[in-house]
Amino acid sequence: QKEVEQDPGPLSVPEGAIVSLNCTYSNSAFQYFMWYRQYSRKGPELLMYTYSSGNKEDGRFTAQVDKSSKYISLFIRDSQPSDSATYLCAMSLGRGSTLGRLYFGRGTQLTVWP
Amino acid sequence: GAGVSQSPSNKVTEKGKDVELRCDPISGHTALYWYRQSLGQGLEFLIYFQGNSAPDKSGLPSDRFSAERTGGSVSTLTIQRTQQEDSAVYLCASSPWGAGYTFGSGTRLTVV
Repeated sequence: QKEVEQDPGPLSVPEGAIVSLNCTYSNSAFQYFMWYRQYSRKGPELLMYTYSSGNKEDGRFTAQVDKSSKYISLFIRDSQPSDSATYLCAMSLGRGSTLGRLYFGRGTQLTVWP
Repeated sequence: GAGVSQSPSNKVTEKGKDVELRCDPISGHTALYWYRQSLGQGLEFLIYFQGNSAPDKSGLPSDRFSAERTGGSVSTLTIQRTQQEDSAVYLCASSPWGAGYTFGSGTRLTVV
């Protein structure tokens, strides 16, 4: 079993839909949780960064972390065609003041059609 | 520079040849990471440099892979005697103390 599981999709939704992306993990020691967006032939870019359990909102994006269930989610409201990309969850044990290595899910491919 | 710079962006090499991939991190970022992304797969950790500490090499898949970081800045990932299974996108990232990564656009390596 991989430490981080993520459904690869693909996921296809109409413009304006609410998108829900999820990951589960097995290591209860993970403390930092991130979502990255990756466009084709580009490197991943950081979307959301949270520490421990709870919610964090940034514009149309909301990240949720439920450590008791070892489950994290990313919600995208009012989805746009420009949101079409692969979304990767990532998490870290965090040692001292550094993130250290990140453990990634396989990524979910999202297409938002107009 | 403004971002993490990787070179070359594409590399085609013959099986058995050695290759060097370069990463120029964001100035002042203390941590540097190498990951590998194969088609349809997630990112596979390779190696991590943090300041002057000994690097975490636990993700290197074999002794054909090595990396160094000179002067706390530029890093080179070397793959010796390349094999077809080494074909992948090699991504470099850097981060300042205690914050998230910034990735480069990667080097797409094809071993023929």
